[in-house]
Amino acid sequence: ETGVTQSPTHLIKTRGQQVTLRCSSQSGHNTVSWYQQALGQGPQFIFQYYREEENGRGNFPPRFSGLQFPNYSSELNVNALELDDSALYLCASSEQGINYGYTFGSGTRLTVV
Amino acid sequence: AQRVTQPEKLLSVFKGAPVELKCNYSYSGSPELFWYVQYSRQRLQLLLRHISRESIKGFTADLNKGETSFHLKKPFAQEEDSAMYYCALSGGSYIPTFGRGTSLIVHP
Repeated sequence: ETGVTQSPTHLIKTRGQQVTLRCSSQSGHNTVSWYQQALGQGPQFIFQYYREEENGRGNFPPRFSGLQFPNYSSELNVNALELDDSALYLCASSEQGINYGYTFGSGTRLTVV
Repeated sequence: AQRVTQPEKLLSVFKGAPVELKCNYSYSGSPELFWYVQYSRQRLQLLLRHISRESIKGFTADLNKGETSFHLKKPFAQEEDSAMYYCALSGGSYIPTFGRGTSLIVHP
């Protein structure tokens, strides 16, 4: 059984650019959630995907978008990057309808300069 | 709306001392509460769930609906317990809201 894997681990982008982060869910999990974790803060919910559809969204602007693929892997896209987007982005997978908690990836550290 | 408050940013204790990490929540429905832990250089991982009523690594947590709390306790802290601890709440959507975390440092 594999866990949640994220790529890349680190990324540096310039303000105004676009970025795509990737996530492979744990085997057997059909739901993927993305979180943003700023330094010294807890994870903040961005959105969740189930069956390739957005299944819930936190308080993030539309320039944060995502995709889920038939194999349950997922992408997080951020357009028009701002300095405040610098954070650790966490992907977590779970099984829809079963509240056993989430399995997290190691995260992607995004720095916007 | 659901909210989780962890009032302590840092908790520092000596090995063998009791530990209590505080978590208070706000939610109008019936909550599901979790504790997650992140050890140094490791990923965030689930520690325990209130519905399981289990003890993991000597930690327990009891849901107190009257006080809207879900404090994490351990009677005798160990150095390997040093980590960041996050309390999380999920409502009907099963999407957890996290607190800001408490850093536990256990001194030898």
